[in-house]
Amino acid sequence: DGGITQSPKYLFRKEGQNVTLSCEQNLNHDAMYWYRQDPGQGLRLIYYSQIVNDFQKGDIAEGYSVSREKKESFPLTVTSAQKNPTAFYLCASSYRSLNTEAFFGQGTRLTVV
Amino acid sequence: GIQVEQSPPDLILQEGANSTLRCNFSDSVNNLQWFHQNPWGQLINLFYIPSGTKQNGRLSATTVATERYSLLYISSSQTTDSGVYFCAPDDKIIFGKGTRLHILP
Repeated sequence: DGGITQSPKYLFRKEGQNVTLSCEQNLNHDAMYWYRQDPGQGLRLIYYSQIVNDFQKGDIAEGYSVSREKKESFPLTVTSAQKNPTAFYLCASSYRSLNTEAFFGQGTRLTVV
Repeated sequence: GIQVEQSPPDLILQEGANSTLRCNFSDSVNNLQWFHQNPWGQLINLFYIPSGTKQNGRLSATTVATERYSLLYISSSQTTDSGVYFCAPDDKIIFGKGTRLHILP
């Protein structure tokens, strides 16, 4: 089936550790996005990439890093510099031009203890 | 950047009622989407509607791009309609804060 897969669904880490969240899509989409959602809040853009080997910061990029070595994959690393990393993380993808309708993965709930 | 305002922030209705959710945005946009976030956090695509009107069953949406707003209509509400509704204009998919809808049985 075509879609976006995020893994794992739940993730627990100790404070001070870096952690990488996976996002893979087989929709042949050019653009991919990472969002953070805190309880009762909307989605905030962390990073986005419109083409392989290129990405831009969103509104809250501090403490996060990404890579886009393959069209299908856009992993997000939550570094120890992120002061409040516990949140729900969502990945999305879309075509870059014409119809830019975006589709989302099921999300990863990260808890840092 | 573009500012997005959704109203009302919260809405409580009895099953069977109709509702209208509004999304205002501060700048012209080339695309706009409506999503429903279910209780498990999954974002479900409802409409991709840069302009005009679309209908899908009990739901319909209208975007008036020249006046910078979009409306989502839900008719004959069901308890499964509960959740948060987000609009997302712009190519980087900037989100509004959402409307939290509670449908009471």
